[in-house]
Amino acid sequence: DAGVIQSPRHEVTEMGQEVTLRCKPISGHDYLFWYRQTMMRGLELLIYFNNNVPIDDSGMPEDRFSAKMPNASFSTLKIQPSEPRDSAVYFCASSTTSPGETQYFGPGTRLLVL
Amino acid sequence: AQSVTQPDIHITVSEGASLELRCNYSYGATPYLFWYVQSPGQGLQLLLKYFSGDTLVQGIKGFEAEFKRSQSSFNLRKPSVHWSDAAEYFCAVGGPGGSYIPTFGRGTSLIVHP
Repeated sequence: DAGVIQSPRHEVTEMGQEVTLRCKPISGHDYLFWYRQTMMRGLELLIYFNNNVPIDDSGMPEDRFSAKMPNASFSTLKIQPSEPRDSAVYFCASSTTSPGETQYFGPGTRLLVL
Repeated sequence: AQSVTQPDIHITVSEGASLELRCNYSYGATPYLFWYVQSPGQGLQLLLKYFSGDTLVQGIKGFEAEFKRSQSSFNLRKPSVHWSDAAEYFCAVGGPGGSYIPTFGRGTSLIVHP
């Protein structure tokens, strides 16, 4: 398996622009997680899905952030409008049949909002 | 609420020396415990995990960790560090007594001197 795939790997955008991050989980994994990593706050869970259904989005910082999982092999995290404080590395991870099982992380998307 | 403390932000060791990274957790029952490693520019990769049974857990790359319930600790060890071990290390806790979704520590950055 190719592992968790994220695109783009790097994104530079200007404040106010819409940003869409993409994730393809490992085939057969039922759980998908979106994390944000910054120096100040460490690794933060933003939202997670089970069988394509959002279960907990309490970590989503603001209404500017939204996430979807239209099918088992694709998820998006959208920021609209983006702000400089959204600059971070965004990780997608997936796990098998239990949320407590091992999470497999993608390589991350490094976002810079100018 | 479950939480993880990694008291050392940075650890510096010489190549060939032994290593111990500390992890203390707060959890209401028997936890699931994880150690992940993040190499520069990469996502997190599982080193080892503890769910139950033998309290000394062996992982990949020659790492091991010991679960000590009385001390609420799950320290990571390696007898002889290699330069390629330089990375960020994250401890995480979760499980059936709290939230299955693991809570991650802030991480410990390992620097290896030649």
